Amino acid sequence: DTGVSQNPRHKITKRGQNVTFRCDPISEHNRLYWYRQTLGQGPEFLTYFQNEAQLEKSRLLSDRFSAERPKGSFSTLEIQRTEQGDSAMYLCASSLGGTYNNEQFFGPGTRLTVL
Amino acid sequence: QKEVEQDPGPLSVPEGAIVSLNCTYSNSAFQYFMWYRQYSRKGPELLMYTYSSGNKEDGRFTAQVDKSSKYISLFIRDSQPSDSATYLCAMSRQAGTALIFGKGTTLSVSS
Repeated sequence: DTGVSQNPRHKITKRGQNVTFRCDPISEHNRLYWYRQTLGQGPEFLTYFQNEAQLEKSRLLSDRFSAERPKGSFSTLEIQRTEQGDSAMYLCASSLGGTYNNEQFFGPGTRLTVL
Repeated sequence: QKEVEQDPGPLSVPEGAIVSLNCTYSNSAFQYFMWYRQYSRKGPELLMYTYSSGNKEDGRFTAQVDKSSKYISLFIRDSQPSDSATYLCAMSRQAGTALIFGKGTTLSVSS
């Protein structure tokens, strides 16, 4: 399978715990994006990497959220001190790059439930 | 007013019908337009991708962009029960930027 992969697929945690999600983009895709989707809504942008550089962060990304892409390949998204409002599907997407290319391919998502 | 508006439906049609899904937007700087299909509890799947204006056809799917009206459409011909899903429109200003999504339209095709 050469698509975007995400792990874990599901995570249940208690309020106040830290969680970390991983995303492996399509091979050779240098752009990587994180989105969050709640029930009945479209995905909302969180942050974007080009190679290892984090180029853009949404105002949705509070101080409790941090994302990394240390070697320009896989990425991790960590949420510290989780709150019930963090319950959502966390989606990762990747894109090949290029001046006129913005095709973004999504992974299956990590569904987070905060109790 | 949200940047991208999409009627959430639900939309119910019989098998074989032509389906029309639409989005309007307010930001004239959008240049990249996409349609995604999302099955329940799955990630969005890219269906159609258009840069700037015009039409694009792929099998039973046709995407149209009318930048003068700030309106995009997705047509599905000969709809099948397997087309039952949520359809999300998405758009962006430049390459390498965030996609702005509509809420999605839930489609149900009955056999």
